[in-house]
Amino acid sequence: DSGVTQTPKHLITATGQRVTLRCSPRSGDLSVYWYQQSLDQGLQFLIQYYNGEERAKGNILERFSAQQFPDLHSELNLSSLELGDSALYFCASSLGSGGPTEAFFGQGTRLTVV
Amino acid sequence: QKEVEQDPGPLSVPEGAIVSLNCTYSNSAFQYFMWYRQYSRKGPELLMYTYSSGNKEDGRFTAQVDKSSKYISLFIRDSQPSDSATYLCAMSGGSQGNLIFGKGTKLSVKP
Repeated sequence: DSGVTQTPKHLITATGQRVTLRCSPRSGDLSVYWYQQSLDQGLQFLIQYYNGEERAKGNILERFSAQQFPDLHSELNLSSLELGDSALYFCASSLGSGGPTEAFFGQGTRLTVV
Repeated sequence: QKEVEQDPGPLSVPEGAIVSLNCTYSNSAFQYFMWYRQYSRKGPELLMYTYSSGNKEDGRFTAQVDKSSKYISLFIRDSQPSDSATYLCAMSGGSQGNLIFGKGTKLSVKP
């Protein structure tokens, strides 16, 4: 167990809908990273938050947004969902902000858009 | 050219074999190099972490980084069926804290 908790584990929703994925980082970790994993693209970095502030942005669509709350948990919001958004969404956490140090991954949320 | 290239396999070996997994990369700014193992339907798990060039050994696992060739390797000695998983290389320049992953190599170790 990595100590990173993601909920829900599975999510099935229809096109056009909006969903929220939740991540609780390991105790003491200040950075949260969101990744999307699909069969054709592999693991793609979406966004990083450090202690509540956005720190780095990757290939995140405008329909997606994230935030990190004062208690350091993070939420990834996906809206106007399309079939192509079906993927595994992983959250990872690490102690620091710069450099990957050791990022620990959660078990992921499997999103299916129908 | 993708930033990180990794042969997806699948790679099938008999138990006890030495396994060699490799990635090449194009960004000379990468300084941090990692190998993750991912079992089916699970999150990636950090196996090895190397800063800059050189070798690192941990039990049956050895990671090598050759920055001059932009090539990294993971060797698994005395492979076990429990090593069957997808192995992902990942790297970072260190300035932003995000990792660039290879697509992963699926390894199967047959008893």
